[in-house]
Amino acid sequence: EDQVTQSPEALRLQEGESSSLNCSYTVSGLRGLFWYRQDPGKGPEFLFTLYSAGEEKEKERLKATLTKKESFLHITAPKPEDSATYLCAVQAAGTYKYIFGTGTRLKVLA
Amino acid sequence: EPEVTQTPSHQVTQMGQEVILRCVPISNHLYFYWYRQILGQKVEFLVSFYNNEISEKSEIFDDQFSVERPDGSNFTLKIRSTKLEDSAMYFCASSEGGLGAYGYTFGSGTRLTVV
Repeated sequence: EDQVTQSPEALRLQEGESSSLNCSYTVSGLRGLFWYRQDPGKGPEFLFTLYSAGEEKEKERLKATLTKKESFLHITAPKPEDSATYLCAVQAAGTYKYIFGTGTRLKVLA
Repeated sequence: EPEVTQTPSHQVTQMGQEVILRCVPISNHLYFYWYRQILGQKVEFLVSFYNNEISEKSEIFDDQFSVERPDGSNFTLKIRSTKLEDSAMYFCASSEGGLGAYGYTFGSGTRLTVV
């Protein structure tokens, strides 16, 4: 069964304290892996798409990487405005639907 | 920046009643989706819609659910006879292509409360 597991469930960082979020996946043929940010009461907001092992994408303080079993979202020198829930999702071969993980709730303290 | 608009933002309904959740996707997008998120749980896929027909649906999307694109702009989700367990945040999303290379654009959601 296709599955996505994210860790940790919650993370508190001091402003400027870099860290990484993990997304482990089991899927029958990966079509794509996606990272989204979700603020309270809002819909997920697209961050990155990764397609194959070794691929990396960057956007401001965020960098996403992909291996054959997991993806990491690295946050460098985070700011309080980076506080949100970060969601990982996969698309399996032959389908366009997302399978989401439960997310990591990130809180960055000033 | 283009947005996906969902109405209403919050709907309270009695068990057994029909509800229609409305969405206006981004105008040049071709693929449309409904997802839901029960409080404290994962975002779950319900249905995808392309070329005026359902392209994929989950086990959750049973005969009580239906989707429609009644005109060139709206995309609706109907629940015929609501149950308590249908209480959730319902998200509409759209994308240019099915692969989602640029991701999906999600709306802000409709919080459905069944009492």
